[in-house]
Amino acid sequence: DVKVTQSSRYLVKRTGEKVFLECVQDMDHENMFWYRQDPGLGLRLIYFSYDVKMKEKGDIPEGYSVSREKKERFSLILESASTNQTSMYLCASSGRGLGNTIYFGEGSWLTVV
Amino acid sequence: KQEVTQIPAALSVPEGENLVLNCSFTDSAIYNLQWFRQDPGKGLTSLLLIQSSQREQTSGRLNASLDKSSGRSTLYIAASQPGDSATYLCAVNPGNNDMRFGAGTRLTVKP
Repeated sequence: DVKVTQSSRYLVKRTGEKVFLECVQDMDHENMFWYRQDPGLGLRLIYFSYDVKMKEKGDIPEGYSVSREKKERFSLILESASTNQTSMYLCASSGRGLGNTIYFGEGSWLTVV
Repeated sequence: KQEVTQIPAALSVPEGENLVLNCSFTDSAIYNLQWFRQDPGKGLTSLLLIQSSQREQTSGRLNASLDKSSGRSTLYIAASQPGDSATYLCAVNPGNNDMRFGAGTRLTVKP
């Protein structure tokens, strides 16, 4: 069965902390994505990666960076967490090509205080 | 820029009703459209994927249609059940994997 795993479901961090959100997929997918979801704003793409060490900015990359050293793992990094980054973060993956289903993890709830 | 709209934002129906959820998009140049279900506090689960060359897809009690030229898709749920209560989102793929999501329709099916 397809699986995208986000290691942390709930986190509380302090302003200014460096935060790592980890995502692992077991489907050998080339594409991986990080979204944030906020009430009234829907899902917004932060970054995506189409291959190891490759990344593309999405709509809202400011304040975030990503790392993809291995095909199965895509990390989202908040260099210096701020309260406006309190949100639900969703990782997703899909196979190479444009006609493939996208699969999501369970989400990580981040609260920055 | 592609805009995806879902109306209504919320819908409440009695158990057993057939219902239709609507999704509209502004740019008809899409590669595919996908419908998702999201339970509170959880991630998104893919329900149906329709390629741009297709008109509809069916899975069990769910049927999704796509009219690319008019920029519309509908998700039809037959014989609704309380377990169908969730938020339903549609997303369009413009061809670069930068999927655009609607804000969702929150469905409540009352026993």
